Amino acid sequence: DIVMTQSPSSLAVSAGETVTINCKSSQSLLYSGNQKNYLAWYQQKPGQSPKLLIYWASTRQSGVPDRFIGSGSGTDFTLTISSVQAEDLAIYYCQQYYDTPPTFGGGTKLELK
Amino acid sequence: QVQLKESGPGLVQPSQTLSLTCTVSGFSLTSNSVHWVRQPPGKGLEWMGGIWGDGSTDYNSALKSRLSISRDTSKSQVFLKMNSLQTDDTAIYFCTHILRVYWYFDFWGPGTMVTVSS
Repeated sequence: DIVMTQSPSSLAVSAGETVTINCKSSQSLLYSGNQKNYLAWYQQKPGQSPKLLIYWASTRQSGVPDRFIGSGSGTDFTLTISSVQAEDLAIYYCQQYYDTPPTFGGGTKLELK
Repeated sequence: QVQLKESGPGLVQPSQTLSLTCTVSGFSLTSNSVHWVRQPPGKGLEWMGGIWGDGSTDYNSALKSRLSISRDTSKSQVFLKMNSLQTDDTAIYFCTHILRVYWYFDFWGPGTMVTVSS
């Protein structure tokens, strides 16, 4: 199975800050046939189900604010949240869908400083 | 709009079988895929398996011997059955939607908590 490793595991931020969450895969998620990275990001708020934010490493899901930016390729990916708002406090997960089974990172908890 | 909702018993005894139902609306099961993902309390997400529009299934190899996923298209329902439950199967169980053949989960149900305890 492809192992997804996220860092940091938790992050304390102040409103208005820009934050970066990292995700590393144990093998490349870039498929040469279409030059796409098979990587998604989710946001999970307390007591809620995960919400898809980004797929193909950088494509925002409909309705997701443009302060959420996904980047990276191959084995190293980043989720950047610019000007963090209180409503962004949640746990963020990356997920690979390059190979079966799809696997998730351990999560990064975004907390208020 | 796409909606999914899980239902089932909140409590299952060890060694017994878990049966969950995912009732969907806003899409057809014959052209979309529904998968199950679980999350132990305070922990991360684990894909369990799913059923595709053509009725074929895929399972996580770690659970394959205990897991069965089926559907009733006339009722827009997908079923999960997992036997030989143990305490580490205690989790929130989510059903999720996959639009095409790419395995990212664009819609999720609210989840149902299952506790395995005597």
